[in-house]
Amino acid sequence: EAEVAQSPRYKITEKSQAVAFWCDPISGHATLYWYRQILGQGPELLVQFQDESVVDDSQLPKDRFSAERLKGVDSTLKIQPAELGDSAMYLCASSLPGLARDEQYFGPGTRLTVT
Amino acid sequence: AQSVTQLGSHVSVSEGALVLLRCNYSSSVPPYLFWYVQYPNQGLQLLLKYTTGATLVKGINGFEAEFKKSETSFHLTKPSAHMSDAAEYFCAVGREDSNYQLIWGAGTKLIIKP
Repeated sequence: EAEVAQSPRYKITEKSQAVAFWCDPISGHATLYWYRQILGQGPELLVQFQDESVVDDSQLPKDRFSAERLKGVDSTLKIQPAELGDSAMYLCASSLPGLARDEQYFGPGTRLTVT
Repeated sequence: AQSVTQLGSHVSVSEGALVLLRCNYSSSVPPYLFWYVQYPNQGLQLLLKYTTGATLVKGINGFEAEFKKSETSFHLTKPSAHMSDAAEYFCAVGREDSNYQLIWGAGTKLIIKP
């Protein structure tokens, strides 16, 4: 069964360092989402791509976060510099294009700890 | 604005007992409704979804949910809890006119007592 791949699974970094997360969606899924999930809370959308275009990045802290999906397939989310408050689970999800009724498929996530 | 409310951040049931996790939504148009499960340090997995048609939806692992438009609810149930059901459960709402984004509830942690 096709899955969303994410790496790394765990990342520990010091405050002010740069970190990057990678996501490879299910083949054929044009829509890709990056979420941040703080322990005990629901996912918070950071950025949504349709192919290589950003659909919504209104909740992305653009002073330190960036996201790209250059060829419309895999995607990278970067934080520079990392802050203590960035400690969270970062989830990537993908879905078929164009239909709200289509579920989102999630990767295993990257657990980030900033020290 | 749309919202999703999950009543109870923690629900504790005994093994073999009925599981009931509550979800209410606010939406001015017919929504699409989802329940996801998340095990510790893992991503979210779809349990079931309602789009159109039959209001009682069956999902994986013996779970089911009923869409009640008059009550704006989509509660999740399972007749008999198993230890492996211990996880966090999230209700989400989607709409065609919202960039295909989901509005998420805060989650309910299900605790199973032996």
